[in-house]
Formats: sequence, structure tokens, C-alpha cells
Amino acid sequence: EIVLTQSPGTLSLSPGERATLSCRASQSVSSSYLAWYQQKPGQAPRLLIYGASSRATGIPDRFSGSGSGTDFTLTISRLEPEDFAVYYCQQYGSSLTFGQGTKLEIK
Amino acid sequence: EVQLVESGGVVVQPGGSLRLSCATSGFNFDDYTMHWVRHTPGKGLEWVSLITWDGSGAYYADSVEGRFTISRDNSKNSLYLQMNSLTTEDTALYHCAKEGDTRRMFWFSDVWGRGTLVTVSA
Repeated sequence: EIVLTQSPGTLSLSPGERATLSCRASQSVSSSYLAWYQQKPGQAPRLLIYGASSRATGIPDRFSGSGSGTDFTLTISRLEPEDFAVYYCQQYGSSLTFGQGTKLEIK
Repeated sequence: EVQLVESGGVVVQPGGSLRLSCATSGFNFDDYTMHWVRHTPGKGLEWVSLITWDGSGAYYADSVEGRFTISRDNSKNSLYLQMNSLTTEDTALYHCAKEGDTRRMFWFSDVWGRGTLVTVSA
């Protein structure tokens, strides 16, 4: 099983700042089959990025994904108030596993 | 608009059984593999099970294998999860989710429901 480790566990930033979230895999993720989701309390998870770097439909361009192999990054270029949430990475190259999440909170 | 609405979550005793349902609309249900994913505050998201678009294949996480059964009724655009021999470790918010591409499996999910809460407690 591929284990995904997200860091940091909690990230405290202010609106307008840049956020960089990391997802590291215990082994290489084939074909960059890596997705990112946003989850807010009481809401359904929302797909942000798939294929490591492709934005899902309707996702603002301030969200971007990068990486390959075992190291992946989600970047939010300028934080909006609605971006404060928990973010999960998921690999789908070998079965399905999720990272434990990064909580992005307002500083 | 694609919609997924889960139901059936309740408080149940350890060892008990429960059936969750997911009603869907807004897409060709019989073209998509469907998933159940659960969420707990301590563990985050955990994939539980998937069933292929035609129901011919079903897969489970090790933690639920032999206890949970996923099924679907394409005539009703509905997904189900039969949960038996429940333990406190199964307490979670259960989401159904649609895969992001047709006729694949073990793929990312592009639409999720809000979830239904299962609490296993004496």
C-alpha cells in the first residue's frame, strides 16, 4: 500500500498570502495519478486537482498542483477567505489511499 | 447538476448491521464506477469500497473486507452499502462518490455527497 504523508499538519496564514502544501508518497505514484481535495466542515469534499497538475472544472487558477514520483505540491497563490479548509491528497495509481490532511487556518 | 445524497446513517450497537443508500441524479449512473469513502476527525478520509459501472466488480479496503457489501441498482440510479458486524472503529461520516471518468475503476472522484453519519456505540 502506498502511504501518503502530508505536511505540515496545520498551516496558519493570512488572506492574500501564498500557501504551499506537501504530499509525499512512500513509493512512486505511477503516471502522476495524484489528486487534491478540499473539505470544509459539513460539506462534501471538492476535487481541486487530478493527474498531479490538472485543475478540475470550475476551480480558480490560484490553485495549482505540481510534482511527480514521490513528491507533490498544492499551491494556492493568494489565499481567499473561502480557501481556509482541510486539504487531502489521494493517489490512484495503486489502489486508493489518502493523506492524513493539512488544515489551512486563518492566522 | 450532478447530485449524490446519502441516507441511512444512525446510531447502532457494536455487532449490529446497517444499510446505507446513495441516491444519484444528473449523470448517466450506469457509466460510472462508484465509491464509498468514510471520514473521521482522527483519521481523515479512508476509502472503503468501490463497485464498477455494471456491478461486475466490487473491491474493499482490508478494514471492511468480509463485513461490508457494496451494491448498486442501475434502474434506480442508486448505490448501497450493507454493513455487518459493526465495531466502534466503523464510526464515521460515510460519503458516496462518483469517479471522474467513465468505465474506469480505482480513479479519482469528481463529485461527492455530503455524507451520512454512522455511530457505533453501546
